[in-house]
Amino acid sequence: RKEVEQDPGPFNVPEGATVAFNCTYSNSASQSFFWYRQDCRKEPKLLMSVYSSGNEDGRFTAQLNRASQYISLLIRDSKLSDSATYLCVVKRPGTYKYIFGTGTRLKVLA
Amino acid sequence: TAGITQAPTSQILAAGRSMTLRCTQDMRHNAMYWYRQDLGLGLRLIHYSNTAGTTGKGEVPDGYSVSRANTDDFPLTLASAVPSQTSVYFCASSVGQGADYNEQFFGPGTRLTVL
Repeated sequence: RKEVEQDPGPFNVPEGATVAFNCTYSNSASQSFFWYRQDCRKEPKLLMSVYSSGNEDGRFTAQLNRASQYISLLIRDSKLSDSATYLCVVKRPGTYKYIFGTGTRLKVLA
Repeated sequence: TAGITQAPTSQILAAGRSMTLRCTQDMRHNAMYWYRQDLGLGLRLIHYSNTAGTTGKGEVPDGYSVSRANTDDFPLTLASAVPSQTSVYFCASSVGQGADYNEQFFGPGTRLTVL
């Protein structure tokens, strides 16, 4: 089992739709979680950190479920500009290692 | 603020040649990293540095070396390039290791093709 797993997609959704991605992780001691966005041929950019209580930033909501060892990203009112690959990242506690998922590709359709 | 810069943007290199990929950050971050990204494999850590003067091996270090003479610069050297090193290379930095919630910030990448 991979340490961080994501559904590669693509998720094709119409503009205005709500879409959610999950990411599972295998190390139950993990404490730090992040969602990054990556556009084609560009560098990953931090979208949001994921806190234990969940957090929201505009149309984006991140949740952590420790019991089932997954994090989720919810995007409301999808925009064409949301089309990208979303990377789940889990940091091993007390180490330098950030483990990246292979990404979930989102296409928002007009 | 520039953040992290990388050079060159892209390069075609003959197998067997050496090359240094440059990375500079102006955020005074202690930790720096080199990743490679290949289709279907995600980002894989090559080398990292906790702080100036120290380096460590990541997941795929073979064929690569790094140095960290100061806080700002973290060059990656390929001593004798091979075609399997064809990839996109990203440099990243974070405030410091050990602390959780320590987001990484990435440079724009170097696209390397080894023929």
